[in-house]
Amino acid sequence: QSALTQPAAVSGSPGQSITISCTGTSSDVGGSKYVSWFQQHPGKAPKLVIYDVNNRPSGVSNRFSGSKSGNTASLTISGLQAEDEADYYCSSYTSSTTLHVFGTGTKVTVL
Amino acid sequence: QVHLVQSGAEVKKPGASVKVSCKVSGYTLTELSMHWVRQAPGKGIEWMGGFDPENGETIYAQQFQGRVTMTEDTSTDTVYMELSSLRSEDTAVYYCARLGGSYSHFDYWGQGTLVTVSS
Repeated sequence: QSALTQPAAVSGSPGQSITISCTGTSSDVGGSKYVSWFQQHPGKAPKLVIYDVNNRPSGVSNRFSGSKSGNTASLTISGLQAEDEADYYCSSYTSSTTLHVFGTGTKVTVL
Repeated sequence: QVHLVQSGAEVKKPGASVKVSCKVSGYTLTELSMHWVRQAPGKGIEWMGGFDPENGETIYAQQFQGRVTMTEDTSTDTVYMELSSLRSEDTAVYYCARLGGSYSHFDYWGQGTLVTVSS
């Protein structure tokens, strides 16, 4: 089971919107309603920001939104803020013997 | 509210084993599906294994089968991950995480345990 593919880096200015893609296969992203997104600041544990493709946990800003089309999921951060600068990882349930797979990670820089 | 507290950092020699613990509070272990993931320095996140609620078994990622054992002690609400035959590539931060919701997403995470493998 290979890692899901994400762009290595995405950047934007404060107030702008950015979108991070996460590409898998029909065995994971394309065939699963269980796609999640995590935010990770340096030295910290990952924090869930989107689950089940497009749901936000309580306490997560509504500037974070998720979607999916075919084998690609996306995370959009609108109204970019300095505190959004972090690494972001997608994750999906898979139908293979590896139950869960993560993305390669994307470093978001706020210019 | 689930709270996960992991054991402290470890330094091991190649070929040795390491056992990392994760103490659960806020829920009893029997109500949870607990998993382990790891992250090598500067690298991405890798799922290692965990309890599959669909078949009631612990499932391990293929690349760790034969080297990893995940156990639990319900009397202390603690889960353990033991990794054997350590090599330098196993140097990483190891996290326990709860599979929450409809067993669909990792919603609570431990603080992480750094395991360093060095001669």
